[in-house]
Amino acid sequence: QKEVEQNSGPLSVPEGAIASLNCTYSDRGSQSFFWYRQYSGKSPELIMFIYSNGDKEDGRFTAQLNKASQYVSLLIRDSQPSDSATYLCAGRQLAGSARQLTFGSGTQLTVLP
Amino acid sequence: GAGVSQTPSNKVTEKGKYVELRCDPISGHTALYWYRQSLGQGPEFLIYFQGTGAADDSGLPNDRFFAVRPEGSVSTLKIQRTERGDSAVYLCASSLTLVSTDTQYFGPGTRLTVL
Repeated sequence: QKEVEQNSGPLSVPEGAIASLNCTYSDRGSQSFFWYRQYSGKSPELIMFIYSNGDKEDGRFTAQLNKASQYVSLLIRDSQPSDSATYLCAGRQLAGSARQLTFGSGTQLTVLP
Repeated sequence: GAGVSQTPSNKVTEKGKYVELRCDPISGHTALYWYRQSLGQGPEFLIYFQGTGAADDSGLPNDRFFAVRPEGSVSTLKIQRTERGDSAVYLCASSLTLVSTDTQYFGPGTRLTVL
């Protein structure tokens, strides 16, 4: 079982809608979570990170973390065609020697004009 | 400022050959990470450095893979006796420190194809 699981999609939403991307994790040592966006043929770029339970908002993006349920999500409001990409969820330990990111397989999002 | 750079951007080699992939991190970043990404998958951790030393190499798949960072800046990932299964995009990332909330910035990657 992978430590970070994502629904691979593809997920399609109409322009202007809310896109909801979900991620679950199995390693309770992973305490900070990162959402990266990756366009086809490009490298991942950070959207936002979260490490406290609850919601964190940044512009059109809201990350949600529920440590009891081991669940992380990313909401994209007012989705635009330029948001079409693969979204990667990654966990990272807060302490200890393992400082690398553990990624899920990614969810492919298509925003239809 | 300049981001993470990687060279070459593409590398085609034959099975059994030796390859070196280079990563130049963001200036001043002490932590450097190597990941490998296969098609349709998320990046998979290989190794990371804090300064010159490899702090965790638990992701290296076998002893054909080796990485160095002799002066605490540029890093080279070395693959001996390449196999077709080594074909992937090799991504390098750097972060200012190892603090868990520090952003890891990724380079453009090196696409390795082993024929």
